[in-house]
Amino acid sequence: KAGVTQTPRYLIKTRGQQVTLSCSPISGHRSVSWYQQTPGQGLQFLFEYFSETQRNKGNFPGRFSGRQFSNSRSEMNVSTLELGDSALYLCASSAGQEAGANVLTFGAGSRLTVL
Amino acid sequence: AQKITQTQPGMFVQEKEAVTLDCTYDTSDPSYGLFWYKQPSSGEMIFLIYQGSYDQQNATEGRYSLNFQKARKSANLVISASQLGDSAMYFCAMRESNTGGGNKLTFGTGTQLKVEL
Repeated sequence: KAGVTQTPRYLIKTRGQQVTLSCSPISGHRSVSWYQQTPGQGLQFLFEYFSETQRNKGNFPGRFSGRQFSNSRSEMNVSTLELGDSALYLCASSAGQEAGANVLTFGAGSRLTVL
Repeated sequence: AQKITQTQPGMFVQEKEAVTLDCTYDTSDPSYGLFWYKQPSSGEMIFLIYQGSYDQQNATEGRYSLNFQKARKSANLVISASQLGDSAMYFCAMRESNTGGGNKLTFGTGTQLKVEL
C-alpha cells in the first residue's frame, strides 16, 4: 500500500514568490492535514481538508491556503513568500470521518527554502 | 499554557536498555487522544503509539508502551530494549475532540534520543 506522497521534496524560492506543494494521501483516506515545522516554532498545524472541505484551520496568515480535490489529493499554496516561511511542510492523511483513534500517516515532507 | 510539554530536549540510552520519554499535557476536553511519533533525520514522521483518554489500559505496540497517568496528565513513552535505529526525535502530540471532529494535532517540542553502543 503506497504511503503519503509529497512533491516536491526540496525547493528553493526567493522572497515575494509563491509556491505550491502537493500531497497525495493513502488510497481511501479522505482527510489531509498540513503542518509546518521550523526550528523556532516546532510543528504547527496549518489546516485540514476532508472531502474537499476545510475542516480545521490553524493560526496562519491568509498567505497560506489550501485545497483538496475530488480524488483527495491536496495542495497548499503560500503566496508572497517571506524568509520565515522556510520550513519543512508535512502532509498527513487519515482514513475516517470521526477522529477517534484515527492515526495520521505523514509523508516525507517538502523542504522549502526562501532566499 | 503549553498544551503538550516535553521537558527533555535530549536523552542518551545504551543499546538494549529501556528509556522513558516524558510528556505532560493540558486540556479541559474530557475526550482526547495522545500520540507519539518518531522523526528520523530524513524528516518523515512515523507513528508509534496511540492512547485514548477513555482507554482503561496502557497502550502497547511491540517495544513501545505508553505509561498513561490521567490524573497527572502524563503520557510517557517507554521504549524497551533500545536499538541503534531508535536514535531520532520523538514527539508527543494530542488531539482534542473540541476541534470540530477533525485531525488537528498539537505537538510538543520533541526529545532527541541518541542510542549508544
